[in-house]
Formats: sequence, structure tokens, C-alpha cells
Amino acid sequence: QVQLQQRGAGLLKPSETLSLTCGVYGGSFSDYSWSWIRQPPGKGLQWIGEINRGGRTNYSPSLGSRVTISADTSKSQFSLKLSSVTVADTAVYYCARLRSGYYHGFRFDWFDPWGQGTLVIVSS
Amino acid sequence: SSELTQDPAVSVALGQTVRITCQGDGLRSYYASWYRQKPGQAPVLVIYDKNSRPSGIPDRFSGSRSGNTASLTITGAQAEDEADYYCNSRDSSGNHWVFGGGTKLTVL
Repeated sequence: QVQLQQRGAGLLKPSETLSLTCGVYGGSFSDYSWSWIRQPPGKGLQWIGEINRGGRTNYSPSLGSRVTISADTSKSQFSLKLSSVTVADTAVYYCARLRSGYYHGFRFDWFDPWGQGTLVIVSS
Repeated sequence: SSELTQDPAVSVALGQTVRITCQGDGLRSYYASWYRQKPGQAPVLVIYDKNSRPSGIPDRFSGSRSGNTASLTITGAQAEDEADYYCNSRDSSGNHWVFGGGTKLTVL
């Protein structure tokens, strides 16, 4: 059973860089794509970006150039960096495995499992 | 704003059937996945593919799709099903993922 374990700083000041890492345990790392998702307090989920098994990244247009996702296959972990944070970046950040498939010509994707979540607070 | 639209809140009597819907143009080309989130916990996958459940998810949960609308149906809702439910799919470009705004399910 694959498990994801997150770690990283939970309190930042505006303009600093958020940095989180997600370790993958109990399963293959190289065979899958991996994503970061966040949830502001009391609000819904927002997809941040992904890194696929070839190391190619894909980011949410709303976060664009502030986001960097990287992977270290030797350590079975992937990381999120979000630069120039503001109060609006306060959220619980989750890592998750992204899987895809096809059924009768329709593509489907799903996020499973998820990490435990890390509350990141941005405050001066 | 989200490219997937969900009703903010739905209620159901204990043991009855409830349908939670998700609308979006991307759903014409991609199946939705559904997640249950209880307070203070990470989301948990409940439905993916046309209508597949991960191990451990009861068979009272089912999924369907018609046109631009995906639905999550709980047949015989239980008290432990009270939670927020989110749909997810690709956006209309097919290049990114989006979540619906979430539906808070109350079991009366």
C-alpha cells in the first residue's frame, strides 16, 4: 500500500518561498505522475501542478511562473516550491499520486493516495 | 472560479438515496473522479473511471455521466457519509485539472 508523507515549513512571511517535500513509501515512484493540490481555509481544492514519470512538469495557469515541482527518483520523493508567497497562499497543501486511463475512448484520471496535508500559513 | 460546478449543499434522510452533481464542459470528454473529505482530513477517492470504487469504498457509492454532467449517487446514505464531496476532471483544454467547488452533504 503506497503511502505519502509530507514535510516542510508551515509558517512563512510574505515574499518568502514555500518549500514542501513528499516522500513515497511502499510502492513504485518512477512509474507514476505526482501532483500538488492545495485548499485554503474553509474553501475548495485547487490543483497546483504535476510532474510526470518522464520528469515533465505541468502547472496551473493561475500560479504559473511562481511554481516549481521537481522530483528525486533516487529518494522516491518530489517537491514543491512556490515563490513570492502572499497571505492568499495560506492553505493546506497536499501531495497525491496521479493516475490515468482510458475507457471506451474517454480519458479518466484520479488522485490516489493523498498525503496527510501540511498547513502553510503566510503572515507578517 | 471553477470550471466544474457543484451545488454547495445537499441533504438526505438517513437510509435514502442522494445524487450529487458536477457540471462542466470538460466532462463531455473526460470522466470525473470523486473525493470525500471529512473535517480535518485529507480527501479520499471514492469513484473514478466510468464507475469504479477503490477497495474499502462501500458499493452504495456509484458514479455516472451524461453530457456535461457527472453524478455521484449514494444509495442508502449512512451517517458516516456526511462530508464534503468534490468532483475532479480535466479542464476544457484537457491540459490541466480542476476541482468542483465541493458539495457539503448532510445526513439527517
